[in-house]
Amino acid sequence: EDQVTQSPEALRLQEGESSSLNCSYTVSGLRGLFWYRQDPGKGPEFLFTLYSAGEEKEKERLKATLTKKESFLHITAPKPEDSATYLCAVQGNAGGTSYGKLTFGQGTILTVHP
Amino acid sequence: DTEVTQTPKHLVMGMTNKKSLKCEQHMGHRAMYWYKQKAKKPPELMFVYSYEKLSINESVPSRFSPECPNSSLLNLHLHALQPEDSALYLCASSWGGGGLTSYEQYFGPGTRLTVT
Repeated sequence: EDQVTQSPEALRLQEGESSSLNCSYTVSGLRGLFWYRQDPGKGPEFLFTLYSAGEEKEKERLKATLTKKESFLHITAPKPEDSATYLCAVQGNAGGTSYGKLTFGQGTILTVHP
Repeated sequence: DTEVTQTPKHLVMGMTNKKSLKCEQHMGHRAMYWYKQKAKKPPELMFVYSYEKLSINESVPSRFSPECPNSSLLNLHLHALQPEDSALYLCASSWGGGGLTSYEQYFGPGTRLTVT
């Protein structure tokens, strides 16, 4: 069974204070690892897809990296508008199709204070 | 455009009511999903449609009945719900074009359902 663990559960930063969120996973054949941002009461917003170890992707102040066991979401010089819950999800080989079940972590609640 | 729309935004229903949630996407995606999300929890998969056919049902109670009238539309029919079914219901879509590449899912804003 695929498993995803995110840490920390909550992270409070001052504006401009860079940090990283962790996503550890176990999966029978990783087909994709996804990062989402979710604001309260809204649907998750897609951020990144990572497919293989060593891959990195960037978008504004966010950078996602992937190893064989974990992924990191690095936040550089965060602003208050970066406050949200960040969700990590994996899709494994079960089913052998391009659609199917994502296994989500519990999320990291990020709060950035001005 | 990566927009998935959902209606209504909010829904309050009694346990004897019948109501429907609607979802629409115009990205040409071939897979569509229903998720349920409780407060402070991640989304929980309910159903997956691929090419308008139901491909995954995560053992969801029969009081939830999905329907995919065409490749752009997804409905969730609700009947005889329980108060514990109150949650944010999310629709998502992805390419799911039949190959083995894993594609990201794009989520709608959700319908906040309250069962009284």
